[in-house]
Amino acid sequence: GNSVTQMEGPVTLSEEAFLTINCTYTATGYPSLFWYVQYPGEGLQLLLKATKADDKGSNKGFEATYRKETTSFHLEKGSVQVSDSAVYFCALDPGPYSSASKIIFGSGTRLSIRP
Amino acid sequence: EAQVTQNPRYLITVTGKKLTVTCSQNMNHEYMSWYRQDPGLGLRQIYYSMNVEVTDKGDVPEGYKVSRKEKRNFPLILESPSPNQTSLYFCASIPRHGDRTMNTEAFFGQGTRLTVV
Repeated sequence: GNSVTQMEGPVTLSEEAFLTINCTYTATGYPSLFWYVQYPGEGLQLLLKATKADDKGSNKGFEATYRKETTSFHLEKGSVQVSDSAVYFCALDPGPYSSASKIIFGSGTRLSIRP
Repeated sequence: EAQVTQNPRYLITVTGKKLTVTCSQNMNHEYMSWYRQDPGLGLRQIYYSMNVEVTDKGDVPEGYKVSRKEKRNFPLILESPSPNQTSLYFCASIPRHGDRTMNTEAFFGQGTRLTVV
């Protein structure tokens, strides 16, 4: 079946450090991949997405590349800010050719940035 | 403004007292879903609905009920809440056509923090 495995947290970094949060997936067919972010006290919101292999999603300085050969969608940012402190979720949507009907979420990675 | 609205945001209740958490979306989305978020467990799906009058169990449906009488509303019902249902709950909606995803994002409500004592 479909699954998402996400790097365990919490992750604590200093401001301006480089960030990587690992995400790997298992899926048949042609899934879409997403990163969602949850700021304190709020619901999840889309950060970026990629709908096919080799696509790169980007937003707010974050990037992730859909790599089919390694079944990965790692989140990266070159220089993090205190305002990036949040919980990050990797997610998989099985896609239009799958019989599966739901989005699969990773367990979430809590990121804390020190000033 | 496109949004998913949950109410209430916070609720403290006692064991066994029936409650309903409402969820409403204004985007005409077919698919709606309820999740609970617990520390170390991420998001777990409780129930989902592919369209009006079509609901199905997610990963953790025990102790919950849902209904989908109208496209915009998807209430979550706890008939007899217990302390193990203390959690943060999220409603989400996604545009789909039947059982086909449109590869678009899920829109989430702000969450309902429920405490059952």
